[in-house]
Amino acid sequence: QVQLVQSGAEVKKPGSSVKVSCQASGGTFINYAITWVRLAPGQGLEWMGGINPMFSSINYARKFQGRVTISADDSTAYMELTGLDSEDTAIYYCARNISHRFDLWGRGTLVTVSS
Amino acid sequence: EIVMTQTPRSLSVAPGQPASISCKSSQNLLQSDGKTYFFWYMQKAGQSPQLLMYEISSRFSGVPDRFSGSGSGTDFTLKISRVEAEDVGVYYCMQGTDLPYTFGQGTKLEIK
Repeated sequence: QVQLVQSGAEVKKPGSSVKVSCQASGGTFINYAITWVRLAPGQGLEWMGGINPMFSSINYARKFQGRVTISADDSTAYMELTGLDSEDTAIYYCARNISHRFDLWGRGTLVTVSS
Repeated sequence: EIVMTQTPRSLSVAPGQPASISCKSSQNLLQSDGKTYFFWYMQKAGQSPQLLMYEISSRFSGVPDRFSGSGSGTDFTLKISRVEAEDVGVYYCMQGTDLPYTFGQGTKLEIK
């Protein structure tokens, strides 16, 4: 059974970058898309963007365009966010996207931005 | 982008009683393929979100039948026929009809 295994928690300085990985354990990404969603303290879920390797397509939420890069190889997806500030402190989730539904989620990666 | 508006923002329900959450979208979510990509997710404290309902009214694998979804176009509802303690968490609606995908603000369900 496929699981999404995310990289560990990160503490970053303002202005720096973070790259979070999401590995498919027991499968590959070739046949489905991966999306990234974050949950900031006191906020709701926020879609950041996604990648569909089968169609070589990548989409980003306008809010993050220019700061986020999503990529993937056969078994791992990545989300890199640059220009971090305190408002980027959040839990970042990857999820499998099948027919626009996110049916399998990683456990989340806590990114803390602090000077 | 499509704006999703959930009401209420919080809900306190006694065990065994029903609960209902409403979600309205700023645009019709019916896509040209005939499907409406509207979803409900639930997030328990300290856990990842989990898919409850897809395409308005289809229960995802393992979701109890006390959960039901209804609606069309721009107005949707999630109902829990008899709330149980394990239903505590934050419920989110989400649309996948148009990019960017957008979530509602969330509804926090507590047990009285």
